[in-house]
Amino acid sequence: SQQGEEDPQALSIQEGENATMNCSYKTSINNLQWYRQNSGRGLVHLILIRSNEREKHSGRLRVTLDTSKKSSSLLITASRAADTASYFCATDLSGGGADGLTFGKGTHLIIQP
Amino acid sequence: DGGITQSPKYLFRKEGQNVTLSCEQNLNHDAMYWYRQDPGQGLRLIYYSQIVNDFQKGDIAEGYSVSREKKESFPLTVTSAQKNPTAFYLCASSTLDRGYYGYTFGSGTRLTVV
Repeated sequence: SQQGEEDPQALSIQEGENATMNCSYKTSINNLQWYRQNSGRGLVHLILIRSNEREKHSGRLRVTLDTSKKSSSLLITASRAADTASYFCATDLSGGGADGLTFGKGTHLIIQP
Repeated sequence: DGGITQSPKYLFRKEGQNVTLSCEQNLNHDAMYWYRQDPGQGLRLIYYSQIVNDFQKGDIAEGYSVSREKKESFPLTVTSAQKNPTAFYLCASSTLDRGYYGYTFGSGTRLTVV
């Protein structure tokens, strides 16, 4: 079963606007990660947030984690056309990812020029 | 440059045939993983390996087999027992030490049954 579920399934915004995607999960985690996938390509790791962290930044990306609500959000600020992609959250139960990450179904983000 | 290479990019299989997908990494990562992605779906774990000559089943291992004879290589065989093999297959690797930062993925192999 899917551990993480992203919301919304699809999102279309104008270039320059901010994009927010959410992820909910079911069981306790060691860390949560966000990945980007361009159409027909492999996934690219964006950011990792550990269970004892509440917020993390990387460039135009801001990730929050609320372990009490079992949810995370990914904010992309000042969006660009190149941000058009699918975004996946992945939960790591054991830490180190050694037993495999569990991925959600993703949010498909379209940035309109 | 270090990275993870999957080949071929596209693969066509006839009914009843076994096919092998290649995955090679030069990142010196200990662990390697195989995922399957269907249209509009997330990734589902097929097999993973934390060390040479050892591997574990993931959530959907039936109809697949793997080997890990070298640290750099983790080939996946899709056997004729896999009822619906048409999908996008992704290989990933990661370190298992304190420098763990997430997975590095290959660019994928798209398998189609004809």
